[in-house]
Amino acid sequence: GENVEQHPSTLSVQEGDSAVIKCTYSDSASNYFPWYKQELGKRPQLIIDIRSNVGEKKDQRIAVTLNKTAKHFSLHITETQPEDSAVYFCAASSEGQKVTFGTGTKLQVIP
Amino acid sequence: SAVISQKPSRDICQRGTSLTIQCQVDSQVTMMFWYRQQPGQSLTLIATANQGSEATYESGFVIDKFPISRPNLTFSTLTVSNMSPEDSSIYLCSVGGGLATGLEGYTFGSGTRLTVV
Repeated sequence: GENVEQHPSTLSVQEGDSAVIKCTYSDSASNYFPWYKQELGKRPQLIIDIRSNVGEKKDQRIAVTLNKTAKHFSLHITETQPEDSAVYFCAASSEGQKVTFGTGTKLQVIP
Repeated sequence: SAVISQKPSRDICQRGTSLTIQCQVDSQVTMMFWYRQQPGQSLTLIATANQGSEATYESGFVIDKFPISRPNLTFSTLTVSNMSPEDSSIYLCSVGGGLATGLEGYTFGSGTRLTVV
């Protein structure tokens, strides 16, 4: 089955700096890669996703890149703000199939 | 994206009893997923609830302990049976599947925080 590894487990950045979270996956059949943000006590919320036919996707301050050959994908947050502090999960799946989650990254943005 | 109503939001239960968690979706979906999330941990898939067929359980989870119902395309329940303190966790349902279901991404219910005493 699919195995998703995520690094780092914790990340502290100064407000305004960039944050990068990296994930690798094992199943070459995976073609859908969502990222979730989970604030304390709340449900995971989809913040961005990318499909395997795309190498990069951007939405305002958030971008995701995908390298299918190397089987890794990354989340980039620019101009970080205190409200970006949360746990971020990467995930991988095939369309319509179960989702395998990474272990999570706790991001702390220091004002 | 779909909107999911999950209840109860939290419960404190005695060991040996059972709790049934419900999820109602505002649109028809082929698959619903049930996850468990221990404090500070990632999400672990318990099972996939398919309408019209038995649920598919992941390794380490069995139907006798976590029976699932899926009577129609908008509703599912997960029962945590014969509970022990080790079952204390957050349980979440999820729907979605990208292009396969016409929904973007995977949406989660608000979660059920279960404490077994």
